[in-house]
Amino acid sequence: AQSVTQLGSHVSVSEGALVLLRCNYSSSVPPYLFWYVQYPNQGLQLLLKYTSAATLVKGINGFEAEFKKSETSFHLTKPSAHMSDAAEYFCAVRDAGGSTLGRLYFGRGTQLTVWP
Amino acid sequence: NAGVTQTPKFRVLKTGQSMTLLCAQDMNHEYMYWYRQDPGMGLRLIHYSVGEGTTAKGEVPDGYNVSRLKKQNFLLGLESAAPSQTSVYFCASSYSGTAYPNEQFFGPGTRLTVL
Repeated sequence: AQSVTQLGSHVSVSEGALVLLRCNYSSSVPPYLFWYVQYPNQGLQLLLKYTSAATLVKGINGFEAEFKKSETSFHLTKPSAHMSDAAEYFCAVRDAGGSTLGRLYFGRGTQLTVWP
Repeated sequence: NAGVTQTPKFRVLKTGQSMTLLCAQDMNHEYMYWYRQDPGMGLRLIHYSVGEGTTAKGEVPDGYNVSRLKKQNFLLGLESAAPSQTSVYFCASSYSGTAYPNEQFFGPGTRLTVL
């Protein structure tokens, strides 16, 4: 079964600083990987997804993530944090095969705080 | 398109009461999912459905039942609510086809408190 580990349940950065949110996965087959963002009192919104077409994936709001197979990682970054980036971020993994019928496995989430 | 909608948005129940949460999607998705979100636990899958009339258990199915009588609707039922079911419930849907990383689209959530 797949699993996802997000290192750091809380991350704080100053406005304008680099954002780095870590995600490591375990999967027995090549995975599909996703980052979702959840703003307060809202549902989850897709930030970006890895589809094996390119290892560096660009998403919305200036975020990007790099797939590193050797490290089984899919860390999320943004060069310059904005106050509006404050939210909870979830990494998720899905098998590329058909056995799990599209099921996503989520990490426990990382709460990002941005200080002015 | 409204996307994925959930009703109600909030609900307070007493222990032992029953209720049904409704999820509706207008994207003609085959797959639908129910998750619960608890602090520090991420999202955990309760039940899911791969098509009209079919349902399957997820990671934490105990105490819940589901039905998918129409393709666009996915109902989650609590027959006898317990305080441990206090949570935020999210519905999601996606296209079928496991050969492509079809993302899941989420509803706004239902905040349920069981006293």
